[in-house]
Amino acid sequence: SQTIHQWPATLVQPVGSPLSLECTVEGTSNPNLYWYRQAAGRGLQLLFYSVGIGQISSEVPQNLSASRPQDRQFILSSKKLLLSDSGFYLCAWTNGGYGYTFGSGTRLTVV
Amino acid sequence: DQQVKQNSPSLSVQEGRISILNCDYTNSMFDYFLWYKKYPAEGPTFLISISSIKDKNEDGRFTVFLNKSAKHLSLHIVPSQPGDSAVYFCAALLRGGYNKLIFGAGTRLAVHP
Repeated sequence: SQTIHQWPATLVQPVGSPLSLECTVEGTSNPNLYWYRQAAGRGLQLLFYSVGIGQISSEVPQNLSASRPQDRQFILSSKKLLLSDSGFYLCAWTNGGYGYTFGSGTRLTVV
Repeated sequence: DQQVKQNSPSLSVQEGRISILNCDYTNSMFDYFLWYKKYPAEGPTFLISISSIKDKNEDGRFTVFLNKSAKHLSLHIVPSQPGDSAVYFCAALLRGGYNKLIFGAGTRLAVHP
C-alpha cells in the first residue's frame, strides 16, 4: 500500500535560519507531489507541485523553494526564514487521480 | 482571488442533529468537488466527493449536494457525532497539465453532547 512520510512533525526556527522539510512517498512510482501551507486561520494554499524528477512549478512568489531529487522525494527549503513563513506545511501526492493523499504535516514556528 | 469560499469559519451542532457545511465556488471550469476532514496537527483526509454531472452523492452519514447553477455545494452529516468535530475543507478540481485542487478556508465543526 502507498504511504507518505513527512518530517519533522514540529520545528521552531529563528528568523534568518535555513529550512529543509522532507517528504517521501512509498508504494508508488512517478507520483505528482505537492507542498501546501495552512497559515493560521486560513485555508490550504498550494505552494509547489512536481510531476517528475527535477520538475518544479511554483504557485505563488515567496521565500521558499522546492526540489525533487528523486522520484518519490520532495523537499521544501528556504535559505533565510521570515516570520511570515510560520504555518502548517503539508505534503501530498496523487497518481493523477482526483484525490490527494496528505502527509501528517509539519508545524513550523519562526521566532 | 478566492475561487472556493467557505464563508462560515465555524459551526456548532448538538450531537444527533444535522450538520450542514456550505461551500461556494466561482470558476465554471471546476467539474469535480471533494470534502476533506482535518484534525489538529494531522493532514487532511478524504471524506467524500461529487462529480459535476451529479447533484447528490451519499456515503453513510455523509451526503454532498451540488447546485451547479448556484455554484454551491454542501456537506450534510446526519446524525452528527462528537468524533465529527474537526475542520472541513471543500476543494474543487481544476484540470490542466495536472489535477490541481483549490481549497476553501475551511469550517471548524464542533459537535457537542
